[in-house]
Amino acid sequence: KQEVTQIPAALSVPEGENLVLNCSFTDSAIYNLQWFRQDPGKGLTSLLLIQSSQREQTSGRLNASLDKSSGRSTLYIAASQPGDSATYLCAGTTSGTYKYIFGTGTRLKVLA
Amino acid sequence: DVKVTQSSRYLVKRTGEKVFLECVQDMDHENMFWYRQDPGLGLRLIYFSYDVKMKEKGDIPEGYSVSREKKERFSLILESASTNQTSMYLCASSSPAQVPYGYTFGSGTRLTVV
Repeated sequence: KQEVTQIPAALSVPEGENLVLNCSFTDSAIYNLQWFRQDPGKGLTSLLLIQSSQREQTSGRLNASLDKSSGRSTLYIAASQPGDSATYLCAGTTSGTYKYIFGTGTRLKVLA
Repeated sequence: DVKVTQSSRYLVKRTGEKVFLECVQDMDHENMFWYRQDPGLGLRLIYFSYDVKMKEKGDIPEGYSVSREKKERFSLILESASTNQTSMYLCASSSPAQVPYGYTFGSGTRLTVV
């Protein structure tokens, strides 16, 4: 059964730092990968999507990459801001399914 | 702007009540999903549907049922609410035709059963 681990579970950094969030899958045959942001008490907002033929995606200060050989993904946040404080979740599908499996998230706090 | 709308942000219900959680999407998506989210456990799939009138059990279907009479609406039903169903409930939709394939989530319903 696919399981998703996100490390670290929580992270606190000063404003302006570049940071990396990690996500790993027990089954490395990831077909689609999605990174989400969740603010307290709210739903999930999609940040980046990587499809099977891609290795990375960029949006503004965010860059997500997927290493299919190891089943690992990273989310890179450049020049972090207090507004980036939230929980970040990664999720993946395997071939033949439309269901995403989720990690438990990394809770990020960016200090002003 | 495309949307997944969950009818209630907060609900408080009594033990034993029948509870309906509604989810409506305006994107003509075929797939719809219900998850619950609990601290330390992440998102767990309750039920999903790939078409009207179609439903499949997810990982934790016990105590829940669903209805999908129209393509845009997917309802989660708690037949007899219990305190262990207190949770955040999240609805998502997607389309197999979308490339890359991904979910769009609603804003969630925080359900408290007392």
